[in-house]
Amino acid sequence: QEQLVESGGGVVQSGRSLRLNCEASGFSFESYGMHWVRQAPGKGLEWVAVMSYDGSKKFYAESLKGRFTISRDDAKKTLFLEMNSLRGEDTAVYFCARNRLRGRLVDGFDLWGRGTRVTVSS
Amino acid sequence: SYVLTQPPSVSVAPGQTANITCGGPGIETKSVHWYQQRPGQAPVLVIYDDFARPTGIPERISGSNSGNTATLTITRVEAGDEADYFCQVWDNHIDQSWLFGGGTKLTVL
Repeated sequence: QEQLVESGGGVVQSGRSLRLNCEASGFSFESYGMHWVRQAPGKGLEWVAVMSYDGSKKFYAESLKGRFTISRDDAKKTLFLEMNSLRGEDTAVYFCARNRLRGRLVDGFDLWGRGTRVTVSS
Repeated sequence: SYVLTQPPSVSVAPGQTANITCGGPGIETKSVHWYQQRPGQAPVLVIYDDFARPTGIPERISGSNSGNTATLTITRVEAGDEADYFCQVWDNHIDQSWLFGGGTKLTVL
């Protein structure tokens, strides 16, 4: 069945880097725009970044520009999030999510992974 | 930047109707999507494009969007509907941004 599985989270010191992975299965990963969304402990959802199906478009939350980089490897059916200069406020569960329609970015997120937890310690 | 406003909590008795609002200037011009998130789980898309239901979402769950308010309506509320609900839109006024409301905790009394 269609599935997204995140990995790469953990405890990291403030100022360090971490790369998150999101492995897709059960669908044509290369046809879909993919997002990262995070959720701080006890808080709401916060959109992080998106990459179009062909890699031609990347957009980031304004507050994260310059520190986070989204990328994808369609051969490995994997979405990545490179996070640099991590801060305490980056502590959250990070979800990857699929845009509902192929080839687009704005139609709602119809498939989510279970998330990977990132804890930034001082 | 564009802001979506949701009430922090809504409480209803089983069998009653819950209305969860999502406010934003001229939100009727945007496509609103709604997600249900049960504790410890990933969000689930329950309404897209204001009122459309994904496969598997019961007809008890519906959406509307008019003026400055979008509304998620759950009729014949059940204990299993207790969850957090988030609205979401795409905004391209200044920059491309996918925005979430702050979320509403639905409590079934």
